[in-house]
Amino acid sequence: SQKIEQNSEALNIQEGKTATLTCNYTNYSPAYLQWYRQDPGRGPVFLLLIRENEKEKRKERLKVTFDTTLKQSLFHITASQPADSATYLCALRAGNNRKLIWGLGTSLAVNP
Amino acid sequence: ETGVTQSPTHLIKTRGQQVTLRCSSQSGHNTVSWYQQALGQGPQFIFQYYREEENGRGNFPPRFSGLQFPNYSSELNVNALELDDSALYLCASRYGGPTGELFFGEGSRLTVL
Repeated sequence: SQKIEQNSEALNIQEGKTATLTCNYTNYSPAYLQWYRQDPGRGPVFLLLIRENEKEKRKERLKVTFDTTLKQSLFHITASQPADSATYLCALRAGNNRKLIWGLGTSLAVNP
Repeated sequence: ETGVTQSPTHLIKTRGQQVTLRCSSQSGHNTVSWYQQALGQGPQFIFQYYREEENGRGNFPPRFSGLQFPNYSSELNVNALELDDSALYLCASRYGGPTGELFFGEGSRLTVL
């Protein structure tokens, strides 16, 4: 079956360190993959999009990689801050399918 | 601020009742999609509307229905509510092509008793 997996356990890191979150997928050939941030009780907020022909995308302290051979995307937050604490969701669109398939999200806590 | 507003923010219903949730899209966005998010889960795609026509649907029964209006605002209707319908319902809008980022509202928290 088709599915997306993200780190199920919460990630706790110290302020200033780099947080790395993983998104693995099976049985898809994604056209692109998106990362969103979600705070408790609020809607997701778009962060980055990476296409199937791109290896890496950066935006300020954020970096996303996409390895279609490993079927994996890594999401990095460098110089992490307590304000980065949230749940991070990955979502992919496969081919011409109009719906986004979402992972369950990974909870990140950055400790001061 | 995403420019997407949803109402109501919270509501409580009983089994068997019907509910209508509303979404006002960001200006200029002609595509709206609805998601159901249970606690601790990722969003599940319900359906998508483009220029007032449904053009994509997830694995939800027909008692989940929707509308999109000429001003691109939209509604999600759920009939014959079940306990498992309790969730956060998210509306997301975007403009144009399939690769656009989604702009989400803050959601409507539905509790079915």
